[in-house]
Amino acid sequence: SQQGEEDPQALSIQEGENATMNCSYKTSINNLQWYRQNSGRGLVHLILIRSNEREKHSGRLRVTLDTSKKSSSLLITASRAADTASYFCATGEKIKAAGNKLTFGGGTRVLVKP
Amino acid sequence: SAVISQKPSRDICQRGTSLTIQCQVDSQVTMMFWYRQQPGQSLTLIATANQGSEATYESGFVIDKFPISRPNLTFSTLTVSNMSPEDSSIYLCSVEESAYNEQFFGPGTRLTVL
Repeated sequence: SQQGEEDPQALSIQEGENATMNCSYKTSINNLQWYRQNSGRGLVHLILIRSNEREKHSGRLRVTLDTSKKSSSLLITASRAADTASYFCATGEKIKAAGNKLTFGGGTRVLVKP
Repeated sequence: SAVISQKPSRDICQRGTSLTIQCQVDSQVTMMFWYRQQPGQSLTLIATANQGSEATYESGFVIDKFPISRPNLTFSTLTVSNMSPEDSSIYLCSVEESAYNEQFFGPGTRLTVL
């Protein structure tokens, strides 16, 4: 079963507006990562936030993490038509051998209208 | 970030046959991961592949159906065996950059089973 749930499932905005999507999860995590996927193609890594961090920025992206509420949000500011894509959160749980096992949320489909 | 390639990029196969998907990374990595993305769905982890040991499979996935090889630190294969139309999905490999725990994905292999 999926660890994360994303909200909303779909979002339609005008170019220039901000887009916010939320991710909730159930168990303890090591980190949380956000990805973008265009039309069923490969995943593009956007940003990683560690469990001891509360906020991170990268360009027009802002990610927050609230471990007490087990939730994260991704904000895209000043959206562009090229931001049209599906966005996924993935929670990372540390595994014994090495690395983190990712569990993905259901995704948010974002449409940015010109 | 690591550059990851997959072969084939897409294939159409007949039911009952098997397909082997290759994943090549341009640097040595400890852990490689295989995911499945069914049509219109999110990603689900199939297994974790550590060089020199047996792959670790997630609940619902078995070695007989999805055998994995990891002969060295830059290469892995996933075989989808005895395929049925329900196996039609995008299969993606990923690697984790140990320094920052960011996980990067290959471009995916789009499989259609008739």
